[in-house]
Amino acid sequence: GAGVSQTPSNKVTEKGKYVELRCDPISGHTALYWYRQSLGQGPEFLIYFQGTGAADDSGLPNDRFFAVRPEGSVSTLKIQRTERGDSAVYLCASSLMGSDTQYFGPGTRLTVL
Amino acid sequence: GENVEQHPSTLSVQEGDSAVIKCTYSDSASNYFPWYKQELGKRPQLIIDIRSNVGEKKDQRIAVTLNKTAKHFSLHITETQPEDSAVYFCAASGASGSARQLTFGSGTQLTVLP
Repeated sequence: GAGVSQTPSNKVTEKGKYVELRCDPISGHTALYWYRQSLGQGPEFLIYFQGTGAADDSGLPNDRFFAVRPEGSVSTLKIQRTERGDSAVYLCASSLMGSDTQYFGPGTRLTVL
Repeated sequence: GENVEQHPSTLSVQEGDSAVIKCTYSDSASNYFPWYKQELGKRPQLIIDIRSNVGEKKDQRIAVTLNKTAKHFSLHITETQPEDSAVYFCAASGASGSARQLTFGSGTQLTVLP
């Protein structure tokens, strides 16, 4: 079946702009995670959804970052007033309810000029 | 929160030799330890995982060992091949609720020399 997909694959924006990053999890996966990966580093946790609700948003760096998953499937990560330090690859992962195994998407490379 | 340390940061081996990557974790409540392989510009791909009720797991040329007492786990790749060249990440997570997030190590760049 289809894996986790993310769009766009690349996003270039200017400092101060608003961006939205989309994640389509594997069908039937109730858990969805967002991570951020800077160059040469491991992914860092941002937020975790179980169904429609954010079960844990402790990794969001500040209130410029927000994520939604209104119907329990597709999720959108929203970043307001982007800063150069937000440049990174944003990864999405999903898993089945009760499973530890997380399957990752290809990521969105965000570049803030 | 959980902290995962990974060593070495780079590792070069000759084709056919073995490679070992080591990780330590800080939270004794962590009970799930996956390893991901990431090729340049690609998504992390799960290659093997182990849970805290098991000390060792093997899948063909790949094995993982876990020492809960010492809070460390290791990835072993035998008979390395050039296609094993990639960045490898270890990770740890807890059982439920907010602990389900993965905490990753900083990665090991493995190069297999032909």
